[in-house]
Amino acid sequence: GQNIDQPTEMTATEGAIVQINCTYQTSGFNGLFWYQQHAGEAPTFLSYNVLDGLEEKGRFSSFLSRSKGYSYLLLKELQMKDSASYLCAVDAGNMLTFGGGTRLMVKP
Amino acid sequence: GAVVSQHPSRVICKSGTSVKIECRSLDFQATTMFWYRQFPKQSLMLMATSNEGSKATYEQGVEKDKFLINHASLTLSTLTVTSAHPEDSSFYICSARDRGGENLNNEQFFGPGTRLTVL
Repeated sequence: GQNIDQPTEMTATEGAIVQINCTYQTSGFNGLFWYQQHAGEAPTFLSYNVLDGLEEKGRFSSFLSRSKGYSYLLLKELQMKDSASYLCAVDAGNMLTFGGGTRLMVKP
Repeated sequence: GAVVSQHPSRVICKSGTSVKIECRSLDFQATTMFWYRQFPKQSLMLMATSNEGSKATYEQGVEKDKFLINHASLTLSTLTVTSAHPEDSSFYICSARDRGGENLNNEQFFGPGTRLTVL
């Protein structure tokens, strides 16, 4: 079976840094995605990791350790517009399995 | 990036009626499309995988006779919610994977979603 865990909610302050963790146990692994989803909208692609290490893209970075079944999304210089749900998803063979999502609230 | 559209974006219907939702890949061919359902404050749940020219593969617990999927062409998949009931009210999102081009990340592209409300 597939099991993907991430915290349900997080709160952070504008301008700060926040790290959202994701652990997974899947029967296969073709890569891990992070998506951002604002309420009432479809998810938008943030990052993709298939090899171990850190991928940096502007204010957002994503890390993967395949041996530990672990990933994190790092958001720097938080802005109010970053308040959203962040979904970790694993490609375990031609389809995505999503974690429960982490609702991030950024406060002034 | 690639564009996926959905129609309608919002639909309100009476209990017992059927609703068809279209998912189109606008600038690429998608041999595989995916249908997700999302209830309020919950994550996306995969309902079925739609394969062009063949029967859809449904996830456990999803009734194939209630959620009819047709993937008639490389750019269009439809989801029909038959005899809809209030508990079917949800946000339905499709996605498609571009197997060609420069989709090196193997990314799925999501449609904007369809908000279904069954009265």
